[in-house]
Amino acid sequence: DTAVSQTPKYLVTQMGNDKSIKCEQNLGHDTMYWYKQDSKKFLKIMFSYNNKELIINETVPNRFSPKSPDKAHLNLHINSLELGDSAVYFCASSRRSTEAFFGQGTRLTVV
Amino acid sequence: TQLLEQSPQFLSIQEGENLTVYCNSSSVFSSLQWYRQEPGEGPVLLVTVVTGGEVKKLKRLTFQFGDARKDSSLHITAAQPGDTGLYLCAARRNNAGNMLTFGGGTRLMVKP
Repeated sequence: DTAVSQTPKYLVTQMGNDKSIKCEQNLGHDTMYWYKQDSKKFLKIMFSYNNKELIINETVPNRFSPKSPDKAHLNLHINSLELGDSAVYFCASSRRSTEAFFGQGTRLTVV
Repeated sequence: TQLLEQSPQFLSIQEGENLTVYCNSSSVFSSLQWYRQEPGEGPVLLVTVVTGGEVKKLKRLTFQFGDARKDSSLHITAAQPGDTGLYLCAARRNNAGNMLTFGGGTRLMVKP
């Protein structure tokens, strides 16, 4: 069984559209994250969320919003997509401050 | 400026050579992690270092945490093509909700 799974793996969409990426973890972890990896491979934290607190990286536009229906899921919603949003988005989870487990990534291409 | 600065950014070597990758910061960390990422995959944890001056070995990989817990190094002995990948150091920012923040990465290519 995949520990952290994200869907879709690839997403191609037009500018201005709204899209969502889903993430599920079956590890029983209490904290989940979203990262954006650009073409230069820099991995930038976007959000950190546990069942009590959402922490937002201040550089993330408010067009991006995480939604957590339960402890095992943290979905990423993106409104009004822009060309610069094209990147690989990774979901991850951890138990408090221990090792982070990553999904396989979602390659988003905005055209 | 990034919290964690990695060097070099790119490294291309021949099989059998040794190499060292560095991760530096002006901040003090309670722990630091090293991850490896292969194409099309997410990063995978290699090691966590906790104590200043700590040295951990993972087969041909040797990880060291600086005495002041501000920097770390990864040394690979007799590199093999299977070591090719993106090596990332990461630490938690205590002043940012303990979020796990990554360095810019070192892209290693080991040629046969």
